[in-house]
Amino acid sequence: DIVMTQSPLSLPVTPGEPASISCRSNQSLLHRDGSTHLDWYLQKPGKSPQLLIYLVSNRASGVPDRFSGSGSATDFTLKISRVEAEDVGIYYCMQALQTGFGQGTRLEIK
Amino acid sequence: VQLQESGPGLVKPSETLSLTCTASGASMSKYYWTWIRQSPGKGLDWIGYISPTGNTVYNATLKSRVTISTDTSNNQASLKLTSVTAADTALYYCATGGYDPFWTGWNVWGRGTTVTV
Repeated sequence: DIVMTQSPLSLPVTPGEPASISCRSNQSLLHRDGSTHLDWYLQKPGKSPQLLIYLVSNRASGVPDRFSGSGSATDFTLKISRVEAEDVGIYYCMQALQTGFGQGTRLEIK
Repeated sequence: VQLQESGPGLVKPSETLSLTCTASGASMSKYYWTWIRQSPGKGLDWIGYISPTGNTVYNATLKSRVTISTDTSNNQASLKLTSVTAADTALYYCATGGYDPFWTGWNVWGRGTTVTV
């Protein structure tokens, strides 16, 4: 089974400052079609999760460009260039080869 | 596109949990459907998915109890989970996604429905 590990699990950030979340898998997420199946989701308080990033670095429709994803194979990063108050919530990475989520990273405003 | 989960909010132990996810605004016949749950105060737990061709993949820990199916004529997907226990108490989400031609992510989510065992 593919295991996803995120860090940190809690991330206090000052508005306007950058933030970074790491996600690692115990197996390569390279799909047979050549793409890497790693997504990022944000669950805002009291809301359903929403897709932020798919295939490592592609922003979903409507996602601000302050969000960016990078990485390859087993090591991935979500970056927020300048955190805003509306970015509060729990961020999950997800491997889409078999489907499975990381533990989640709770971003809070300092 | 919008998704709406529906079903009983209370299920007795050992019985079968049955939920339906109805899509509106577009046909989902070419998309994957997935069910994901979230126990109170916990993270996201993937249950399984069904492809447009009807192929299903389930979480290994739930595989013996889960069935996911679709009704394309009604633009719906269904989840059945047998022999439920208190551990199955959760907020259940459906979501859709697919390949266009590469993976698009689970890009449409329902609001979720709470099931208590």
